[in-house]
Amino acid sequence: GAGVSQSPSNKVTEKGKDVELRCDPISGHTALYWYRQSLGQGLEFLIYFQGNSAPDKSGLPSDRFSAERTGGSVSTLTIQRTQQEDSAVYLCASSPLAGGGNEQFFGPGTRLTVL
Amino acid sequence: AQSVAQPEDQVNVAEGNPLTVKCTYSVSGNPYLFWYVQYPNRGLQFLLKYITGDNLVKGSYGFEAEFNKSQTSFHLKKPSALVSDSALYFCALYTGGFKTIFGAGTRLFVKA
Repeated sequence: GAGVSQSPSNKVTEKGKDVELRCDPISGHTALYWYRQSLGQGLEFLIYFQGNSAPDKSGLPSDRFSAERTGGSVSTLTIQRTQQEDSAVYLCASSPLAGGGNEQFFGPGTRLTVL
Repeated sequence: AQSVAQPEDQVNVAEGNPLTVKCTYSVSGNPYLFWYVQYPNRGLQFLLKYITGDNLVKGSYGFEAEFNKSQTSFHLKKPSALVSDSALYFCALYTGGFKTIFGAGTRLFVKA
């Protein structure tokens, strides 16, 4: 069956521009997560969605970062006024059950490069 | 504070030899512990998890992990390494709420 998909796979942008990253979770999965993976670093939690609501936004690094999820499905992570330190791989994961502590299914990621 | 650590950036092992990738954790309650693997240019894949019960957990691709509460460790093991096991391995910790904490990752190189 179809797994988690993310688009674009690569994004190069100039400093100061806005970017949108998209995640299509596995159909029927309630939980959706966004992570950031920087070179040599582990996965940094950004935000968690349960359905369309985000009970945990604690990982968003600044107010330039926002995310939404519509129809309990597709999610978009938006970064405004991008900075060079935003360069990283952004990973999306979904899980069939709400809450944490369950296996997460990851997408291939979007590699963001801010020049 | 809750945390997970992978003390080795890289592990090298010869094909056919046993492998161990180390993970230690710090938590105030009962941990849920996970191992994920990331192959080049692919997303992370779930290998196994420990919630409760038997301290030896068996997972995908012949991997297993041993939960040791006294040593606060959850090391990943495989009796006989394959070249195809070469990848980046992440240990992860869940202790409640919605957040899972991932380690920095350990790169495994298996030489033929």
